[in-house]
Amino acid sequence: GAVVSQHPSWVICKSGTSVKIECRSLDFQATTMFWYRQFPKQSLMLMATSNEGSKATYEQGVEKDKFLINHASLTLSTLTVTSAHPEDSSFYICSASPDRGRRSYTFGSGTRLTVV
Amino acid sequence: KNQVEQSPQSLIILEGKNCTLQCNYTVSPFSNLRWYKQDTGRGPVSLTIMTFSENTKSNGRYTATLDADTKQSSLHITASQLSDSASYICVPYFGNEKLTFGTGTRLTIIP
Repeated sequence: GAVVSQHPSWVICKSGTSVKIECRSLDFQATTMFWYRQFPKQSLMLMATSNEGSKATYEQGVEKDKFLINHASLTLSTLTVTSAHPEDSSFYICSASPDRGRRSYTFGSGTRLTVV
Repeated sequence: KNQVEQSPQSLIILEGKNCTLQCNYTVSPFSNLRWYKQDTGRGPVSLTIMTFSENTKSNGRYTATLDADTKQSSLHITASQLSDSASYICVPYFGNEKLTFGTGTRLTIIP
């Protein structure tokens, strides 16, 4: 149980365009989802926490207008990188929890974003 | 400063050999400590979980130990296989608090 799926697994986009990444909980209802970013050879860094039906809470230094998070259902959250730039190239990973606000042990498979 | 330091940063061993990865943490108290395996280009996958009161936990060829007094944990891999090549991350976990990820150890198994 507790499977989290991410899509796409990799994406290449042109600078200035927007990219949407999906995170789905397959066998449970994810009240809370977390979005992380990981640069090469670095630890995962929490970007934002989203509770279903509420606005996401962003970590310090993360631009909420650039990284749009939608968590409109209990099984789906999306992260949209708007007006992407090469420095946004990174590995994005989501995590989902059935308990509101509670950190999750289960991570998605990740999405490699390359902005050219 | 990162509250979870892992060593070594990277390690290369021959297939079939054993190895031990170290994790020193300052985060305390915590409800459990997990070791994750992260293959390149993939999300982390949980290997073992130990509560604060446990000393050791095994999962196949992976054995994790925990010393709460010295705030150290280790992950021992027995009879390594090529598929063990990955990054290994130590994560003390305390309920609703922000996860603190270790710096990770990059393990490479060579034939």
